[in-house]
Amino acid sequence: IVMTQSPDFLAVSVGERATINCKSSQSVFYSSNKKDFLAWYQQKPGQPPKLLISWASTRESGVPDRFSGNGSGTDFTLTISSLQAEDVAVYYCQQYYSTLYTFGQGTKLEIK
Amino acid sequence: QVQLQESGPGLVKPSETLSLTCTVSGGSMSNYYWSWVRQSPGRGLEWIGYISYRGTANYNHSLGSRVTMTVDMSKNQFSLKLSTVTAADTAVYYCARVPRDSPPDVWGNGTTVAVSS
Repeated sequence: IVMTQSPDFLAVSVGERATINCKSSQSVFYSSNKKDFLAWYQQKPGQPPKLLISWASTRESGVPDRFSGNGSGTDFTLTISSLQAEDVAVYYCQQYYSTLYTFGQGTKLEIK
Repeated sequence: QVQLQESGPGLVKPSETLSLTCTVSGGSMSNYYWSWVRQSPGRGLEWIGYISYRGTANYNHSLGSRVTMTVDMSKNQFSLKLSTVTAADTAVYYCARVPRDSPPDVWGNGTTVAVSS
């Protein structure tokens, strides 16, 4: 399953909304449990990826509520409602529907 | 809380075998899958594969038969071997915990491996 993110680069002012898109080449919705097998990660320089959201919209414990995930099937979004300076990072989507987990190419988010 | 730490040589010669170990501390290996992911500028984040605590493995077919993963519950460790390496295998290698039917949720800090003579 190929994961494609857009844009590759995004510059947003502090306090403004940031939206990242992710599209999968096939649906990652599993009908038996009615869940989308889609995760979002944040990676800062020199650090491993940090899991932010699983099941397309479920925030991990400790993740600020300004982060939200939406979408189903093949089209997903990660939204940061009010960008903070510490949110500067590269964001990746990942599908875990297939046993061959695949990642998007990443979106680099910076402060405008 | 659970922590993972990768270890192994930082430099491997072309055509040789890359060997890495991930040590799990602060928790049990039971009931989880244990994975390896690598990251390079040219290839982004690439899933190498995972192994269950019982030793059942699933590998990325793009790496062919070069990959072998093993688990040693007695030492709280799991390992990766990648044979016949080339410069294209130069990357930061991460180990990560994978709950069943879920994304990797705990990651090691990563270890850089360069393939060069």
